[in-house]
Amino acid sequence: AQTVTQSQPEMSVQEAETVTLSCTYDTSESDYYLFWYKQPPSRQMILVIRQEAYKQQNATENRFSVNFQKAAKSFSLKISDSQLGDAAMYFCAYRSGNGNKLVFGAGTILRVKS
Amino acid sequence: DVKVTQSSRYLVKRTGEKVFLECVQDMDHENMFWYRQDPGLGLRLIYFSYDVKMKEKGDIPEGYSVSREKKERFSLILESASTNQTSMYLCASSHLTRSDSPLHFGNGTRLTVT
Repeated sequence: AQTVTQSQPEMSVQEAETVTLSCTYDTSESDYYLFWYKQPPSRQMILVIRQEAYKQQNATENRFSVNFQKAAKSFSLKISDSQLGDAAMYFCAYRSGNGNKLVFGAGTILRVKS
Repeated sequence: DVKVTQSSRYLVKRTGEKVFLECVQDMDHENMFWYRQDPGLGLRLIYFSYDVKMKEKGDIPEGYSVSREKKERFSLILESASTNQTSMYLCASSHLTRSDSPLHFGNGTRLTVT
């Protein structure tokens, strides 16, 4: 079974600085998708960014980008120019290419200091 | 805008009660999911459904059942609530045929069993 590991329970970043959240996963499949979700205090889970495993290019969405290392099974999230609104719990998730289910990591709480 | 609605934001029930958590989506999604969120454990899949009256067990189905009589509605049932079922419950939906389709989440129901 696939597993997703987020080794950082909590991270802090100064406003306007850059922070990287780590995620590793374990799978024997070659076709899969990876996601980062954000859960603010309102509890509404929001998709931040997604990456297809067959794509070499790292996904980017405005201030959010990923460093996808397929051989190392690593999928880190970089947040540039951090804002107070980025404070949230961030979850890394894996989805098999032929499956419906997402497997989530334990989450990382991100605190943004002003 | 897409919407997944969970009927209760907070719920307090007594041990042994039968509990119904309701979820409705308006996106005509085939897939619907129930996750449980606990600190340090991330989100764990309880059950999911890929069609009306179809269901599959997730990773932690014990003590739960589900019902999907209509495409838009997916109910989670705790047959006899226990204190170890105190948790945050998240409903989600997605398209069936697109593996890169993200999950759309409801706002969660925080259930306390006393």
